Amino acid sequence: QKEVEQDPGPLSVPEGAIVSLNCTYSNSAFQYFMWYRQYSRKGPELLMYTYSSGNKEDGRFTAQVDKSSKYISLFIRDSQPSDSATYLCAMSGERDNFNKFYFGSGTKLNVKP
Amino acid sequence: DAGITQSPRYKITETGRQVTLMCHQTWSHSYMFWYRQDLGHGLRLIYYSAAADITDKGEVPDGYVVSRSKTENFPLTLESATRSQTSVYFCASKGQGAANEKLFFGSGTQLSVL
Repeated sequence: QKEVEQDPGPLSVPEGAIVSLNCTYSNSAFQYFMWYRQYSRKGPELLMYTYSSGNKEDGRFTAQVDKSSKYISLFIRDSQPSDSATYLCAMSGERDNFNKFYFGSGTKLNVKP
Repeated sequence: DAGITQSPRYKITETGRQVTLMCHQTWSHSYMFWYRQDLGHGLRLIYYSAAADITDKGEVPDGYVVSRSKTENFPLTLESATRSQTSVYFCASKGQGAANEKLFFGSGTQLSVL
């Protein structure tokens, strides 16, 4: 079983839709949760960063962490064609192993004009 | 500009040749990482470094060598390139401490080994 599971998609939505991207994980020791956006032929760009459980909002983006269910989500409101990219979840924070990051395989999102 | 830069952006080489990928960061981050990204495997850690002169293996270190003589540079060398090392390579860095558990990535080097 992978440490982090993420549906690869692709996910295709019309412009203006609300997008929900999700990851599940198996290691209850994770404390830090990140979402990265990766455009084609570019490096991953940090989008959202959350410590422990709860919600964090930044503009059209909301990140949710539910540690009891080992489930994290990224919501994109009023999606735009410029949001078309691959979204990677990542997590870290194992005791004595802070430098190890676990990545999902990425969900490819296509927002149609 | 501050940030993390990788060079070259694209590289084509032949099997058996030595290749060095460069990574430079201007944030004075303690930690630096090398990942490779392949379809079906996602991001896999090759090597990482906690500080100058301190390096450690990641998940897939075989065939790679790293060094870190200066905090800002972390080159990755393929000693004798093989076709299985055809991939996109990303360098990343992060600061020290629990408040800095965020990786920042470079733009990547696309390497083709023929």
